[in-house]
Amino acid sequence: EDKVVQSPLSLVVHEGDTVTLNCSYEVTNFRSLLWYKQEKKAPTFLFMLTSSGIEKKSGRLSSILDKKELSSILNITATQTGDSAIYLCAVETPPGTYKYIFGTGTRLKVLA
Amino acid sequence: NAGVTQTPKFRVLKTGQSMTLLCAQDMNHEYMYWYRQDPGMGLRLIHYSVGEGTTAKGEVPDGYNVSRLKKQNFLLGLESAAPSQTSVYFCASRPSGSTDTQYFGPGTRLTVL
Repeated sequence: EDKVVQSPLSLVVHEGDTVTLNCSYEVTNFRSLLWYKQEKKAPTFLFMLTSSGIEKKSGRLSSILDKKELSSILNITATQTGDSAIYLCAVETPPGTYKYIFGTGTRLKVLA
Repeated sequence: NAGVTQTPKFRVLKTGQSMTLLCAQDMNHEYMYWYRQDPGMGLRLIHYSVGEGTTAKGEVPDGYNVSRLKKQNFLLGLESAAPSQTSVYFCASRPSGSTDTQYFGPGTRLTVL
């Protein structure tokens, strides 16, 4: 059965800390992995990863995929209280169907 | 451009009642999805559609029906609501290109008593 597992489930840090969120997957055929940020309402798109070893970066956020380890990490440097959110990982499976399996998410809380 | 909108935003039902959730998108997207989100469960796909007039089951389709009579609208129906269907429902849409992502609506919070 295809699945996506995120860790940790929750995390509390102080402003300025660096955090690393993990996403591992077991799917029959992989094409892409996506990261979303969810604050109070709808998830908003952060990154799409399809190739191993290529880092995607947006400001203080970055992400990389490791197809050998079937995993991805999302890094946030110099965290701010506005980074407090649930971070969701999703994998497209089967490839070409545009169907996604989501992980349970990591709830990040950044304290001032 | 309104993006993806959902109606209603909140609803309380009694067990056995029926209702329809409406999702509308103005981006001419081919694909549309209905998810539910429960605490600790992430997003789970209920039904999805790859184009006007087509629908397919997702991970948790039981107790729900859908219709996509017009490309811009995707309706989710609950024929006989149960307390287990208390959840937050998200609609999403995406275009058909492989490098595109989903765009989510603001969600509908449904409580079934």
